[in-house]
Amino acid sequence: KNEVEQSPQNLTAQEGEFITINCSYSVGISALHWLQQHPGGGIVSLFMLSSGKKKHGRLIATINIQEKHSSLHITASHPRDSAVYICAVETPDFGNEKLTFGTGTRLTIIP
Amino acid sequence: GAGVSQSPRYKVTKRGQDVALRCDPISGHVSLYWYRQALGQGPEFLTYFNYEAQQDKSGLPNDRFSAERPEGSISTLTIQRTEQRDSAMYRCASSLIRGAGDTEAFFGQGTRLTVV
Repeated sequence: KNEVEQSPQNLTAQEGEFITINCSYSVGISALHWLQQHPGGGIVSLFMLSSGKKKHGRLIATINIQEKHSSLHITASHPRDSAVYICAVETPDFGNEKLTFGTGTRLTIIP
Repeated sequence: GAGVSQSPRYKVTKRGQDVALRCDPISGHVSLYWYRQALGQGPEFLTYFNYEAQQDKSGLPNDRFSAERPEGSISTLTIQRTEQRDSAMYRCASSLIRGAGDTEAFFGQGTRLTVV
């Protein structure tokens, strides 16, 4: 079982729909990242959070530390949001810290 | 070496001086991340590279901070006209480009920067 699980693996939606991507993890973490990878391969950091909620434009990320769960929401989705969304967790072990990635969620927004 | 190497390990500098922090990632790792961590706080994302391309620099606090990775391997984080508030542990991490399955990124030991 992977330490970081994302769901769904693939998601297709119509333009304008509200999108939710989920991330569950099984270890204690110091922070969680949401990343976006476009078809060309470039990866962009969307959020880094350790508690609560963050919002940037149409993107919202939440995290529940007790439940070991995070969600990424996209409001009013647009075809340009089509990408792979990746959840990654940092484990707080100084001298041996690591960042573990989930397998990603491929999002396709249809015009 | 086998791990991510950062230098110097410790740097004390006078306010107003420029500093350059170096990160040598694990050989073959495509992605390189810079973080900083103030005492007693969690890591703060600064910037991120895939190969030599800087993908996201939105975490850099202001224009005194810059980073480069000209050949897609070693990276340098430069802080110009340092201020006392820049004092922190600066951490670098590297990972293989994300592919199928989990991918881990590994952190260096960090550079402890103290601005006096």
